[in-house]
Amino acid sequence: SQQGEEDPQALSIQEGENATMNCSYKTSINNLQWYRQNSGRGLVHLILIRSNEREKHSGRLRVTLDTSKKSSSLLITASRAADTASYFCATDGTGTASKLTFGTGTRLQVTL
Amino acid sequence: DADVTQTPRNRITKTGKRIMLECSQTKGHDRMYWYRQDPGLGLRLIYYSFDVKDINKGEISDGYSVSRQAQAKFSLSLESAIPNQTALYFCATSDPRTGAVNEQFFGPGTRLTVL
Repeated sequence: SQQGEEDPQALSIQEGENATMNCSYKTSINNLQWYRQNSGRGLVHLILIRSNEREKHSGRLRVTLDTSKKSSSLLITASRAADTASYFCATDGTGTASKLTFGTGTRLQVTL
Repeated sequence: DADVTQTPRNRITKTGKRIMLECSQTKGHDRMYWYRQDPGLGLRLIYYSFDVKDINKGEISDGYSVSRQAQAKFSLSLESAIPNQTALYFCATSDPRTGAVNEQFFGPGTRLTVL
């Protein structure tokens, strides 16, 4: 079963707005990662946050992690039409031999 | 050239047929994974391998088998395909020694349809 559940399942915004996606997970983790998938294509790694980190930035991406609530959020600022994709969180659980468990994803649509 | 390649990219087959999906990588990574993706279910792990000859079952291994005969190649087989194995299949690699802890690199996917 999925470790991560993402919210919302789908999000539609206009170009220039910020997009926030949330991920909840169930067990202890070593790190949490976010991936992007353009329609029908392979996933691309965006950012990784370790369990002892609370916030991380990469360009227009900001990720937060709250291990007490077992949740993470991905913020994309000043969104562009090219950001249209599905976004997945993935957890590297402790004691799981470095396997990732993926969430169900958020479909982001950015319109002009 | 792509670092992780998958063949074929698309395949339509019939129930009961044996199918092999191939994955090759030029990243020099020891760890390789096979996932399937179904609409609304995210990615689920089928099998994974941390080295040549090392094979481990994932979350949904029933009906599948794999072979890791070389570091660069990891093959997934469906011995007798059934319609509910219709899905998008992804191969991925990782190497924690690079410092990016278990960041995975994905192939472009194989779209398999079982009629």
